[in-house]
Amino acid sequence: SQKIEQNSEALNIQEGKTATLTCNYTNYSPAYLQWYRQDPGRGPVFLLLIRENEKEKRKERLKVTFDTTLKQSLFHITASQPADSATYLCAFPSGNTPLVFGKGTRLSVIA
Amino acid sequence: DSGVTQTPKHLITATGQRVTLRCSPRSGDLSVYWYQQSLDQGLQFLIQYYNGEERAKGNILERFSAQQFPDLHSELNLSSLELGDSALYFCASSGPRNPYEQYFGPGTRLTVT
Repeated sequence: SQKIEQNSEALNIQEGKTATLTCNYTNYSPAYLQWYRQDPGRGPVFLLLIRENEKEKRKERLKVTFDTTLKQSLFHITASQPADSATYLCAFPSGNTPLVFGKGTRLSVIA
Repeated sequence: DSGVTQTPKHLITATGQRVTLRCSPRSGDLSVYWYQQSLDQGLQFLIQYYNGEERAKGNILERFSAQQFPDLHSELNLSSLELGDSALYFCASSGPRNPYEQYFGPGTRLTVT
């Protein structure tokens, strides 16, 4: 069955640095991949969608890459701020399931 | 604010009971999705409705059922509740302009005692 893995449960970085989160998947070739942000006790918030024929997508301080050969997506937050602290989830469609979510990486940006 | 509303915010009930969770999608959205999130399992897809019809089914237990009404609001019914059903239940919606992007509600926290 398909598997989606996010590189670590938690990532701590200094304010101003670039945070890089990884999403790896196996046994599937999704047509697109999405990233969501989730704050504790709240619903996920859609951030970016990248399609399989797009190498990179940007939105303000966010950048997502999608490497279908490596079966990997990287999510970057540049000039990170304490307000960026949250859990970030990657997700993609799989079979009849509209979205399968990874377990997320909890990012803490330290001032 | 995503525009998706869910009620109630919190629900505490006993094992064996039945509860109903309610969701109103964003204005104009025809698709509604239900998810369960527990600490150890992450966000799990349960079921999707599109314009009143069931569109996709995930790992939804037989004790759980859902429906979408003509006004597009949706209800998730959980019966014969067990301690393991304690979780956050999220509803999300998507619309025709960007059908792949899902907008989540604030969730209902269910505690089964």
